[in-house]
Amino acid sequence: QLQLQESGPGLVKPSETLSLTCTVSGGSISSSSYYWGWIRQPPGKGLEWIGSIYYSGSTYYNPSLKSRVTISVDTSKNQFSLKLSSVTAADTAVYYCGRFLEWLSPLDVWGQGTTVNVSS
Amino acid sequence: DIVMTQSPDSLAVSLGERATINCKSSQSVLYSSNNKNYLAWYQQKPGQPPNLLISWASTRESGVPDRFSGSGSGTDFTLTISSLQAEDVAVYYCQQYFSTPYTFGQGTKLEIK
Repeated sequence: QLQLQESGPGLVKPSETLSLTCTVSGGSISSSSYYWGWIRQPPGKGLEWIGSIYYSGSTYYNPSLKSRVTISVDTSKNQFSLKLSSVTAADTAVYYCGRFLEWLSPLDVWGQGTTVNVSS
Repeated sequence: DIVMTQSPDSLAVSLGERATINCKSSQSVLYSSNNKNYLAWYQQKPGQPPNLLISWASTRESGVPDRFSGSGSGTDFTLTISSLQAEDVAVYYCQQYFSTPYTFGQGTKLEIK
């Protein structure tokens, strides 16, 4: 059964870069048609798609975050990663990684999420 | 961006009664070439990630109880729980995947009356 697990620092200082990794187990990140992505949820609020990546490295970002976001993939480690630069308190959220079965499809598998607080 | 608007924001329903949540998109999410609505419903319980209940507006995911159903087309969609159970207490989100950026509704909190 496919499982995703987010990892990374739980505390990031303002203006610094948030870095998270999603490790995929129980399946290959290189499986054709699958896309992988990041979603975040600020405390007590709704869900925001950050961006997605295909195993080939093709990326798609939310325009609202595009200038600060980089998503990358490491097929040898079955992982993909998120970097969000110049963070502020507004970036405090639970960050989820997830799988899309194909382009333009819902997230059918989610990680448990990791909480990132932006604070000095 | 396609704006997704859910109603109501919160809902209290008695056990065994029907619960109905609405979702409206700012533009159609029906793709004419395949006649599919690019609309999903998720359930999120406290401290858990969202769980995909329904895709393509009305296709129940494997393992989802048949008391959950989705309907609608174009810009107006509905999630119905035919007979509310205690374990259905959660926040429900709709999401469009017709185009990027993928967007979600603000969520509807479902409680027991």
